[in-house]
Amino acid sequence: EVQLLESGGGLVQPGGSLRLSCAASGFTFSIYGIYWVRQAPGEGLEWVSAIGGPTPNTHYADSVKGRFTISRDNSKNTVSLQMNSLRADDTAVYYCAKRGPEYYLESWGQGTRVTVSS
Amino acid sequence: EIVMTQSPATLSVSPGERATLSCRASQSVNSRLAWYQQKPGQAPRLLIYGASTRATNIPARFSGSGSGTEFTLTISSLQSEDFALYYCQHYNGWPLTFGGGTRVEIK
Repeated sequence: EVQLLESGGGLVQPGGSLRLSCAASGFTFSIYGIYWVRQAPGEGLEWVSAIGGPTPNTHYADSVKGRFTISRDNSKNTVSLQMNSLRADDTAVYYCAKRGPEYYLESWGQGTRVTVSS
Repeated sequence: EIVMTQSPATLSVSPGERATLSCRASQSVNSRLAWYQQKPGQAPRLLIYGASTRATNIPARFSGSGSGTEFTLTISSLQSEDFALYYCQHYNGWPLTFGGGTRVEIK
């Protein structure tokens, strides 16, 4: 069974940093891309970032480009999202998700909440 | 960026009735379209990918159709557990984008 477990969320002041982690199990981690998607309170879904599997190419939404960095450690089956220069509009639940055979989001974690506030 | 537009924003349906949800892309996404269901306090769940292929363990009452720019999710006979938010998402290039969602509520 595919399991994805996010951690690292919390309260941070504007301009601060936070590092989210996604721990994966139940599949051959190294060959699958992993995505981050966020959902602001009462709002819809917004794709944030992605990292490939065999070739760890990275992609970012314009809203986070230059501030967020995605990385993976295939030896630990984890993906991280380093978030710098955080703003109030980064406040959201952050989900990690496993890519399917194509670029849809096949399995999702339960999310970790990030609140950016002074 | 491809803009995904869902309609209606809210759909009021009686249990046992059919629900038809629409999703429009601002340019062709071929058949690279997925649908997700989200219930309050839960993560989204994949329902449909490739515009019309049901994901694992998704009941047959859920069906998807369309290609290019116009897509439909149909729930043939609404069950109590189907009242939720539904999102479409294209994956025909970066950035991936989601529609704003359709809330299916009990009439």
